[in-house]
Amino acid sequence: DAGVIQSPRHEVTEMGQEVTLRCKPISGHDYLFWYRQTMMRGLELLIYFNNNVPIDDSGMPEDRFSAKMPNASFSTLKIQPSEPRDSAVYFCASSIGGPETQYFGPGTRLLVL
Amino acid sequence: AQKVTQAQTEISVVEKEDVTLDCVYETRDTTYYLFWYKQPPSGELVFLIRRNSFDEQNEISGRYSWNFQKSTSSFNFTITASQVVDSAVYFCALSETYNFNKFYFGSGTKLNVKP
Repeated sequence: DAGVIQSPRHEVTEMGQEVTLRCKPISGHDYLFWYRQTMMRGLELLIYFNNNVPIDDSGMPEDRFSAKMPNASFSTLKIQPSEPRDSAVYFCASSIGGPETQYFGPGTRLLVL
Repeated sequence: AQKVTQAQTEISVVEKEDVTLDCVYETRDTTYYLFWYKQPPSGELVFLIRRNSFDEQNEISGRYSWNFQKSTSSFNFTITASQVVDSAVYFCALSETYNFNKFYFGSGTKLNVKP
């Protein structure tokens, strides 16, 4: 079975550009999470969805960040405009029936120059 | 305040040694879940175990074992007879059911297992 799929795996962009990260959760999972991992702050929950509806976005750092889940099999995390301090690994995770057991994607390594 | 504390930033052991990774958590919730994840050098996060707050029974899975003690708010992870492939960063995490199921990760413990 396919796990959580994230694309791209690596992204290098220049400051000010728009960045879109993509995630396909495990089929049948009704929860989807976006995390950011940095050396300074560790793993942080940015936002999560239940049945495509955003439930908690209190972890989204600022208005430059937005996330959508137009359907059960696809979500995006967008940063516009990007800044060097956004450089991090962004993980997507999904779970079924509750957020208790999450399965993570391989992550997207973002570098903003 | 830190919800999940992993005081050991980095541990180095020699292969075949046993090693315990500490995790201390803080919550007011009566129903919560605790987790361990492994992040190998390749970067992905691998789910290892989930424990709910009502089940304090220790668990063993192969060379891995977990000691959950509510009295000390700890959920420690022991690897017996460590192997080089165990080298990774290990994260402890807490999920609080009252707090909209928020997920909190510890800062991680980097385990180096040397041959």
